[in-house]
Amino acid sequence: AQSVTQLGSHVSVSEGALVLLRCNYSSSVPPYLFWYVQYPNQGLQLLLKYTSAATLVKGINGFEAEFKKSETSFHLTKPSAHMSDAAEYFCAVSAPGNQFYFGTGTSLTVIP
Amino acid sequence: EAGVTQFPSHSVIEKGQTVTLRCDPISGHDNLYWYRRVMGKEIKFLLHFVKESKQDESGMPNNRFLAERTGGTYSTLKVQPAELEDSGVYFCASSQDRTGLETQYFGPGTRLLVL
Repeated sequence: AQSVTQLGSHVSVSEGALVLLRCNYSSSVPPYLFWYVQYPNQGLQLLLKYTSAATLVKGINGFEAEFKKSETSFHLTKPSAHMSDAAEYFCAVSAPGNQFYFGTGTSLTVIP
Repeated sequence: EAGVTQFPSHSVIEKGQTVTLRCDPISGHDNLYWYRRVMGKEIKFLLHFVKESKQDESGMPNNRFLAERTGGTYSTLKVQPAELEDSGVYFCASSQDRTGLETQYFGPGTRLLVL
């Protein structure tokens, strides 16, 4: 079975500070992992995805995530937060047959 | 290229009424998915169409929910009769293939409030 746990429903960082959003997964098969972002009043937009190639995945807007099998983690990071990064972030794992399992989301606030 | 669109963006109805949500996937995408997010909880899978066929409807909460995709293009999700616990955001997504490797593209969601 597949599942995702996102630690921290709300994260606040200062502008220019490191962003770290945590995601741990459980999967009975080699996982495919995704991070999506939802800006206010918009749909979910893909940030990046891991599909068993390089373990360090670079996405849009300066975000990246590292797949760590030993820790069953796929944390999302960005070296320097920008005001425009304020949004809700979702981690997801896909299952055979294409169903996605999402975490509960992390709302990121960027403090000027 | 147009993205996934959903209509309406918001719907407020009374308990016992019927609501129909519509999703138009990206042109050429055979796979269409419905998800729901109840406030504060995770986004949960409802069902998956491949063209006009239901591939997986294991996430449908109960028989008050009916999804259709006639002709393999747009899809509708009807809730009849609506209950208070049906409130939430309903997302639609589409993708080209069914392997699980393909990115799913999401629409903006329909925010449903049942009073």
